[in-house]
Amino acid sequence: EAQVTQNPRYLITVTGKKLTVTCSQNMNHEYMSWYRQDPGLGLRQIYYSMNVEVTDKGDVPEGYKVSRKEKRNFPLILESPSPNQTSLYFCASSARRLAGGAQYFGPGTRLTVT
Amino acid sequence: AQTVTQSQPEMSVQEAETVTLSCTYDTSESDYYLFWYKQPPSRQMILVIRQEAYKQQNATENRFSVNFQKAAKSFSLKISDSQLGDAAMYFCAYSIVYGGSQGNLIFGKGTKLSVKP
Repeated sequence: EAQVTQNPRYLITVTGKKLTVTCSQNMNHEYMSWYRQDPGLGLRQIYYSMNVEVTDKGDVPEGYKVSRKEKRNFPLILESPSPNQTSLYFCASSARRLAGGAQYFGPGTRLTVT
Repeated sequence: AQTVTQSQPEMSVQEAETVTLSCTYDTSESDYYLFWYKQPPSRQMILVIRQEAYKQQNATENRFSVNFQKAAKSFSLKISDSQLGDAAMYFCAYSIVYGGSQGNLIFGKGTKLSVKP
């Protein structure tokens, strides 16, 4: 089954404690990205990757890091989380030319930073 | 910069009736994609329908269809024969076709659709 998986699905942590949210896709997609969703703001892109070892900032990259060492994985790293990073996070992937526009989303990770 | 605007924060429709959700966008590109995503209470983002800007014909997917007006930069979603399972948040989104940020979806703020039995 074609899918994007994220772990964990829920996470409660404290300010300053480093965390990683994993993302994996099994569709051999070149393009992967991370979004955050906040009430009243829709989804905003954090980082994206066009291929292995190629990453770039999206619209709201501050406080986040990513890496793309393997094609299937694209982890999101919060080195020192703060309460304003409390949000719902989505990983997404698509084929390079968007395959007609279809981006596949993971199930989301609800992060709470206290 | 490209922007996507959904002017209706909430909408309501009676079961079996038709409802139209509005979306406008701003871009200087001539070729791009437009999408409608559905987010039910499970929070999963589900692609409902997509439109390629160079295609004049409006996209349809079963009970879902769009009215794409390129000159007016308008992209509305029509849901026919509404069902209880259509209740969700709906997001309009835009993406360029070429360039470094290819694949970056720009989302509107969403419209919450309620379906009354």
